[in-house]
Amino acid sequence: AQSVTQLDSHVSVSEGTPVLLRCNYSSSYSPSLFWYVQHPNKGLQLLLKYTSAATLVKGINGFEAEFKKSETSFHLTKPSAHMSDAAEYFCVVDHTGGGNKLTFGTGTQLKVEL
Amino acid sequence: GAVVSQHPSWVICKSGTSVKIECRSLDFQATTMFWYRQFPKQSLMLMATSNEGSKATYEQGVEKDKFLINHASLTLSTLTVTSAHPEDSSFYICSAQIASGTDTQYFGPGTRLTVL
Repeated sequence: AQSVTQLDSHVSVSEGTPVLLRCNYSSSYSPSLFWYVQHPNKGLQLLLKYTSAATLVKGINGFEAEFKKSETSFHLTKPSAHMSDAAEYFCVVDHTGGGNKLTFGTGTQLKVEL
Repeated sequence: GAVVSQHPSWVICKSGTSVKIECRSLDFQATTMFWYRQFPKQSLMLMATSNEGSKATYEQGVEKDKFLINHASLTLSTLTVTSAHPEDSSFYICSAQIASGTDTQYFGPGTRLTVL
């Protein structure tokens, strides 16, 4: 069965410090993996995606994620948090290869403090 | 590019009435659109997949007669919640693919439905 687990429901960091949002996946295939961000009462914005090319994926707003097959992980990182990064982050796996069946993680709420 | 809009952004209706939500791809043609539902502080749950010109495919447990989906053109899909009840109150989000199988879905901003 395909699944995605976001290990932390809430993460709190100070502005200017690194961000780490953890995600582990389970898939029978070579998956495509995504990170989306959702600000309050807004839709989802694509941060980055992995589709079997480079394992280190760079996204928008300084975020990046590394695909580690041996660890079945796809953690999201950012070197320095900004107040505007406060939002809900979703790790998403596409286990069909065609983008038609996304499985969402339960989300991680990122709080950025002064 | 790849902008998806939804209208309305929020709607309040009385129990028993029907509500239509529109999803438009503004700068691309979308052969496939998806409708999701998100309860407070929860993740997105896929309700149905619609392909232009054909009937929508509903996920298990989603009532097709209650949630009517129409995908009449390559830029517009509509979700109609018929005979809405308070338990239908939720955040409804659509997404669109530029072409089926291209693996990236572009999401709309969502519609907040409140049924009184």
